[in-house]
Amino acid sequence: EAGVVQSPRYKIIEKKQPVAFWCNPISGHNTLYWYRQNLGQGPELLIRYENEEAVDDSQLPKDRFSAERLKGVDSTLKIQPAELGDSAVYLCASSPQGATYEQYFGPGTRLTVT
Amino acid sequence: GESVGLHLPTLSVQEGDNSIINCAYSNSASDYFIWYKQESGKGPQFIIDIRSNMDKRQGQRVTVLLNKTVKHLSLQIAATQPGDSAVYFCGSSGSARQLTFGSGTQLTVLP
Repeated sequence: EAGVVQSPRYKIIEKKQPVAFWCNPISGHNTLYWYRQNLGQGPELLIRYENEEAVDDSQLPKDRFSAERLKGVDSTLKIQPAELGDSAVYLCASSPQGATYEQYFGPGTRLTVT
Repeated sequence: GESVGLHLPTLSVQEGDNSIINCAYSNSASDYFIWYKQESGKGPQFIIDIRSNMDKRQGQRVTVLLNKTVKHLSLQIAATQPGDSAVYFCGSSGSARQLTFGSGTQLTVLP
């Protein structure tokens, strides 16, 4: 079974530029999460989707971050414009319906903002 | 809010010895706890979980212990192997059904 797929794996951009990350969850997983992980820290939730609905986006900085999950499968996370402090690893995770706690993580996208 | 913290940022053990990684949580309403392993350049990988109605759960070479009285969680790895070298995160979840992760312990297995 294929795991959670994320692309790109690495991204380097200059500040004020836009950037987008893509995630393909495990087939059949209804719940999708985006996390940000700063160096030496644990993942911090940005947004959680149940199918195509964002049910928890309280930690998403909405002035510059946006996310979508059209058709309830793939998801994209966008930052516009990026700031130096956005440098981090952005992780996508998914879980099957009814098993909210056990989450399967992708490899992440390492973003460097210069 | 909920916070989770690990006692030691780094831990070194000899190959073959047992490892114990400790974690403390703040929210007494937390009802679910989980451990993840993260190798360099990879996403976190699920190891084991435990619900608050239990105080011990065993997996393959791993045991999680939960002490709700002192809000303490530990992960024990038996016969630690070089492949166990990684960062280990504990996480907890309460009524919001949202996982909160600690800052991680880097486990290094010495030959």
